[in-house]
Amino acid sequence: QQQVKQSPQSLIVQKGGIPIINCAYENTAFDYFPWYQQFPGKGPALLIAIRPDVSEKKEGRFTISFNKSAKQFSLHIMDSQPGDSATYFCAATMNRDDKIIFGKGTRLHILP
Amino acid sequence: GAGVSQSPRYKVAKRGQDVALRCDPISGHVSLFWYQQALGQGPEFLTYFQNEAQLDKSGLPSDRFFAERPEGSVSTLKIQRTQQEDSAVYLCASSLSSLGVQETQYFGPGTRLLVL
Repeated sequence: QQQVKQSPQSLIVQKGGIPIINCAYENTAFDYFPWYQQFPGKGPALLIAIRPDVSEKKEGRFTISFNKSAKQFSLHIMDSQPGDSATYFCAATMNRDDKIIFGKGTRLHILP
Repeated sequence: GAGVSQSPRYKVAKRGQDVALRCDPISGHVSLFWYQQALGQGPEFLTYFQNEAQLDKSGLPSDRFFAERPEGSVSTLKIQRTQQEDSAVYLCASSLSSLGVQETQYFGPGTRLLVL
């Protein structure tokens, strides 16, 4: 049973465009939702994270939108650059249990 | 560097061989996690240590998988009698926190295991 569902599987966007990656979850015990960025041959790195009592969080060009009632959240990348080309994972954790539950990932390619 | 390091970076094993994968966490980090990442998939949790105590091993796929962290620092993931389905990248992560405090987990580069 996949606890965090992520879409799309892959995404191609022109430089300067705004890629959007969507995630959904079922378990209401999740209370922390991080996004990770992974480059080939590297481990995932934390990009930005949000708690369910907040509807939006911005850090630089990255924005998370969170809809608690719909149990959905999304990542937007403003003014995307070729250097943003990577695989992005949404994830969820519970306060009582630090293990990260990852989505399957979105392979993003930004065209120059 | 002060990041999480893993060795070896690549390992090729014949089916049936035993392998040992090492993780050096960031100095002073209390928590250590192992994840398995199959090709084209997200990482999946294997096991968790707080100092030397293994608090959660619910993600280990079979009794062929064993992890230890005897002195609360370096950890080793051992896979006995490797099978082809064990081929994956094995990621180690560490964080400052004790359980219940959602500190950032810092990931190592992983060990890519290929079982022939």
